[in-house]
Amino acid sequence: DSGVTQTPKHLITATGQRVTLRCSPRSGDLSVYWYQQSLDQGLQFLIQYYNGEERAKGNILERFSAQQFPDLHSELNLSSLELGDSALYFCASSVDGVTDTQYFGPGTRLTVL
Amino acid sequence: KNQVEQSPQSLIILEGKNCTLQCNYTVSPFSNLRWYKQDTGRGPVSLTIMTFSENTKSNGRYTATLDADTKQSSLHITASQLSDSASYICVVSDRTGGFKTIFGAGTRLFVKA
Repeated sequence: DSGVTQTPKHLITATGQRVTLRCSPRSGDLSVYWYQQSLDQGLQFLIQYYNGEERAKGNILERFSAQQFPDLHSELNLSSLELGDSALYFCASSVDGVTDTQYFGPGTRLTVL
Repeated sequence: KNQVEQSPQSLIILEGKNCTLQCNYTVSPFSNLRWYKQDTGRGPVSLTIMTFSENTKSNGRYTATLDADTKQSSLHITASQLSDSASYICVVSDRTGGFKTIFGAGTRLFVKA
């Protein structure tokens, strides 16, 4: 158990819908990362937050958005869902968000039908 | 274009044997290189993190090396165990615009009794 929690574990929805994935980092970690893992593209970095502020942005689509709240939990919002958005979405956290160890959560498996 | 390439794609070894996984990258400017172990359907687990000035890092039976001049890294697993069966992913971050992260496709390791 990494100490990072993600909810829900599984999510099944239809194309065009909007969903919100939630992540609670390890106690004391200020940085949160979101990753997408699909069968055809492997793991991809989406976005990083540090203490509530966006720090780095990767291959995140405009239909996706994220935020980190004052209590340091984070949410990833996915809208206008397409079949290709079906994937495992991982959240990770770390203390300073630079070169320290990232601890991954168990992931949310999103299925878009 | 920043890329991370891993070889071999998959590997089968007998329990107790050693093996070495390779990672070549073109990411620049380089910030750090990480090796992760990922069991199917679970979040990656960090094995090692190396910055530019480090050329070797060990974590138990796992030893990673880094040659920043040739942009190559390797992960050596000693005295393999059945539980080492997993995907091993090389991840390289750059220092442009907030530490963007590029994932390799991974090496799938199967350890047989």
